[in-house]
Amino acid sequence: EAQVTQNPRYLITVTGKKLTVTCSQNMNHEYMSWYRQDPGLGLRQIYYSMNVEVTDKGDVPEGYKVSRKEKRNFPLILESPSPNQTSLYFCASSFSYRENQPQHFGDGTRLSIL
Amino acid sequence: GENVEQHPSTLSVQEGDSAVIKCTYSDSASNYFPWYKQELGKGPQLIIDIRSNVGEKKDQRIAVTLNKTAKHFSLHITETQPEDSAVYFCAASYPGFQKLVFGTGTRLLVSP
Repeated sequence: EAQVTQNPRYLITVTGKKLTVTCSQNMNHEYMSWYRQDPGLGLRQIYYSMNVEVTDKGDVPEGYKVSRKEKRNFPLILESPSPNQTSLYFCASSFSYRENQPQHFGDGTRLSIL
Repeated sequence: GENVEQHPSTLSVQEGDSAVIKCTYSDSASNYFPWYKQELGKGPQLIIDIRSNVGEKKDQRIAVTLNKTAKHFSLHITETQPEDSAVYFCAASYPGFQKLVFGTGTRLLVSP
């Protein structure tokens, strides 16, 4: 089954404790992206990757890091999480960055930073 | 940069009624406009999309219209059913570029 898989689905942690949210897709997609969803703000892009070893900032990149060492994986790293990063996070992928293609989303990771 | 506004934020209809959600965008260069449905506990799922060279697109009970001059596009759901209850997001994207700018979402409630 074609899918985007995120782990963990839920996490409660404390300020300053490094965490990683994993994202994996099995569709051989070139493009991957991370979004955060906050009430009243819709989805905002954090980082994106056009292919292996190619990443760039989205609209709200502060406090986040990403890496794309393999085509299928695109982890989101919070080196020193803070309460304002409490949010619902989504990973998405699409076939190619070269033209507009439907994006496939994971089921989300709800992070609570205390 | 692109900005997408979406209205209404909540919409309640009776089963069988039609529902319309409207979005406006700011950048006339945008040429791809998808609509996503998000059910509770799930990620957004694409339900229909339209490109700027088309004015209308239909898929069974769902249709999207695009007015490039006015820079707005709308989602129309006919004969609504309780399973249509969800949050709906519109989005816009530039040509040749995958970044989606999302609206703030519309919570649709269909009552039996």
